[in-house]
Amino acid sequence: ETGVTQSPTHLIKTRGQQVTLRCSSQSGHNTVSWYQQALGQGPQFIFQYYREEENGRGNFPPRFSGLQFPNYSSELNVNALELDDSALYLCASSSRDSGGYTFGSGTRLTVV
Amino acid sequence: DQQVKQNSPSLSVQEGRISILNCDYTNSMFDYFLWYKKYPAEGPTFLISISSIKDKNEDGRFTVFLNKSAKHLSLHIVPSQPGDSAVYFCAASLQGNEKLTFGTGTRLTIIP
Repeated sequence: ETGVTQSPTHLIKTRGQQVTLRCSSQSGHNTVSWYQQALGQGPQFIFQYYREEENGRGNFPPRFSGLQFPNYSSELNVNALELDDSALYLCASSSRDSGGYTFGSGTRLTVV
Repeated sequence: DQQVKQNSPSLSVQEGRISILNCDYTNSMFDYFLWYKKYPAEGPTFLISISSIKDKNEDGRFTVFLNKSAKHLSLHIVPSQPGDSAVYFCAASLQGNEKLTFGTGTRLTIIP
């Protein structure tokens, strides 16, 4: 059983640029959620995808967007990067049928 | 608005003694609570959970207590081991909603 895989592990971008983060969900999981963890804070819910549709969104602006693919993998896109977007971005997959929530190791994004 | 709070940023406990981590919440609609453990450079790992219909759940060395009237939960680890040194996050959710609301975490250090 493979776990949740995120890529890249680290990334440095310049303010104003765009970034795409990727996540492969755990085998058997059909739901993907994205969280942002700023330094010294707990993870904050960005949005969730189920059957390729956005299914719930946290308090994040529209420049945060995502996709889920037929194989249940997912992308998080952030446009017009700001310095405050610097954080650890965590992907979690789960199954509507059996529950359970598995996190990846995250992507550390630094905006300079 | 911090709906889940962990007021102790850090805690040090002697090996073999009991570790008690605390968590408070403000949203009385939360009905499912979880504890996650996080090592550096890894994603959060599920530890133990409790439904609001219970006031205690035990799994080996880990016990979670829920006091709904006080909107308070605690995680007890006994006996504490060096491998328990990590950041512990409390999280809460609403029934049927997979979005998790996390606290800010408590860094637990077990002193050999």
